[in-house]
Amino acid sequence: NAGVTQTPKFQVLKTGQSMTLQCAQDMNHEYMSWYRQDPGMGLRLIHYSVGAGITDQGEVPNGYNVSRSTTEDFPLRLLSAAPSQTSVYFCASSLAGGRSYNEQFFGPGTRLTVL
Amino acid sequence: AQRVTQPEKLLSVFKGAPVELKCNYSYSGSPELFWYVQYSRQRLQLLLRHISRESIKGFTADLNKGETSFHLKKPFAQEEDSAMYYCALLSGGYNKLIFGAGTRLAVHP
Repeated sequence: NAGVTQTPKFQVLKTGQSMTLQCAQDMNHEYMSWYRQDPGMGLRLIHYSVGAGITDQGEVPNGYNVSRSTTEDFPLRLLSAAPSQTSVYFCASSLAGGRSYNEQFFGPGTRLTVL
Repeated sequence: AQRVTQPEKLLSVFKGAPVELKCNYSYSGSPELFWYVQYSRQRLQLLLRHISRESIKGFTADLNKGETSFHLKKPFAQEEDSAMYYCALLSGGYNKLIFGAGTRLAVHP
């Protein structure tokens, strides 16, 4: 199993450009999520999905869109990149949550710089 | 408000010394807490969870509801313990986690 994969590993954008960060998992996990990691702030939840066709906002959703058309894929879209979106982005997946926590498996991360 | 605080950005110790990484939380209700670790060039991974009451790689963490703390401890640090450590709080359902800012542990020979 490849686990959670993310592409690209690195990306540099200019302000106003759009792009999609890709995330895929091959573990048949229902739950997928996107976090951003900033120095001194830890990881913050952007968006999450509990299954195909179902997404919801996390702590810092502004400026990001997501969709979940398949169980395997959960892309994160930046429609108009801003310097404040310079960060390291992590995708994670797990079996469905609910009343008990299921361990989340993280991808290797995408380092994004917006100039 | 739900919050996780890790007061130390960097903890530097010598090999064989005891280690305590501090974590305090704010949560109304019965919290579920975790420690995640990120070694250099590796992915973030779960180290331990308080409900398991287990010791992983010599690390333990006890939930203290009176002090709202979940400190991570190891009696004798090893160089391979050098990593970034994050304390995390389960926020409601659906596996949503609130992370602390992280503490970098550096173990020197």
